[in-house]
Amino acid sequence: EVQLVESGGGLVKPGGSLRLSCIGSGFTFSNAWMNWVRQAPGKGLEWVGRIKSKPDGGTIDHAASVKGRFTISRDDSKNMVYLQMNSLNTEDTAVYYCATGHYCDFWGQGTQVTVSS
Amino acid sequence: DIVMTQSPDSLAVSLGQRATINCKSSQSVLYSSNNKNYLGWYQQKPGQPPKLLIYWASTRESGVPDRFSGSGSGTDFTLTISSLQAEDVAVYYCQQYYSTPYTFGQGTKLEIK
Repeated sequence: EVQLVESGGGLVKPGGSLRLSCIGSGFTFSNAWMNWVRQAPGKGLEWVGRIKSKPDGGTIDHAASVKGRFTISRDDSKNMVYLQMNSLNTEDTAVYYCATGHYCDFWGQGTQVTVSS
Repeated sequence: DIVMTQSPDSLAVSLGQRATINCKSSQSVLYSSNNKNYLGWYQQKPGQPPKLLIYWASTRESGVPDRFSGSGSGTDFTLTISSLQAEDVAVYYCQQYYSTPYTFGQGTKLEIK
């Protein structure tokens, strides 16, 4: 059974940093493209970024709204994907999901990030 | 960036009736080399993560009831629920994965009339 579990969310002050983690199981993690998607309170889905598998080049792309502040990385030896978030502002408050694949076929339950003073 | 626009924003349909949600992309998401439309549909119920229903515009994900179907090509797509059930109340999103950023539509809220 495919499982994705996010962690690392919490309350952080504007300008602060957080690192989110997502651990995958039940599939060949090293071959999977991994996405981060967020959802602000009461709002729709926003794609944050994606990291391809190393066999597919390991390319990383981020949304313009987070480029230069957020960085996606992966550690295939641990079946983990990360989202390093720096210079956080209140607009980054959201539930953050990791999801597998080119199209997001499996999703985790999400982790809440709240940016507030 | 490719802009995805769904219509309507909300929809109320009687149980057993057909529900239709439209999604339009600002540029084609059809990749000519493989003739695939890079378009997915997701269902999100309150308090839950999204769930993939349809990929490649018309391929139903495993385990998704066959009352859900996707159609369209190029820039215009449709999600159809042939006979609405109570458990289909949710917000539905389309997403293009043709080019980054992989943008979502704004969502369509489906309710029972």
